Amino acid sequence: KNEVEQSPQNLTAQEGEFITINCSYSVGISALHWLQQHPGGGIVSLFMLSSGKKKHGRLIATINIQEKHSSLHITASHPRDSAVYICVCQVPTGGAGSYQLTFGKGTKLSVIP
Amino acid sequence: ETGVTQTPRHLVMGMTNKKSLKCEQHLGHNAMYWYKQSAKKPLELMFVYSLEERVENNSVPSRFSPECPNSSHLFLHLHTLQPEDSALYLCASSQDRDTRYEQYFGPGTRLTVT
Repeated sequence: KNEVEQSPQNLTAQEGEFITINCSYSVGISALHWLQQHPGGGIVSLFMLSSGKKKHGRLIATINIQEKHSSLHITASHPRDSAVYICVCQVPTGGAGSYQLTFGKGTKLSVIP
Repeated sequence: ETGVTQTPRHLVMGMTNKKSLKCEQHLGHNAMYWYKQSAKKPLELMFVYSLEERVENNSVPSRFSPECPNSSHLFLHLHTLQPEDSALYLCASSQDRDTRYEQYFGPGTRLTVT
């Protein structure tokens, strides 16, 4: 069974700080997703990674398949980045295109002006 | 605006009521998903539909009944719910049920069972 651990659980940062959120998992995966959930519930898919690194604006996501670890970085953080960030692992289950999703508990980020 | 809409956005229902949640995607996607998010718990995947066929049912009680009449619409029919079913119900879609495609989420329906 895949265990997905996120750290930290809660994070408060000053505007402009560089932020890192970590995700570790315990079994081989085919892909990893980072989701952003704003207060009120709306969810946006930020990244889907299977290797290496991706960048969208001030957001950078990396994954190390050998170490079973992914990080989400936010550069020049802003109060509008305040949200819960969720790591989701996609684990193949055998059949073609068949997989299970395992969700982390989320990291609550608060960016203070 | 992700191209995935959900109605209603808020729903309060009694334990004896029957109601339905609706999800619609305008993205031409082939896979659709229902998720449940309870307070202080991780997201839980409930059902997966691929090309209108249910391909995954993650031990969800029978008081939740999904329906996918076509690739653009997904329903979740609710009956005789319990207060612990109060949660945010999220719908998502993806191009295909495959590792290469990202999921797009709707805004969710906040359900309260009284």
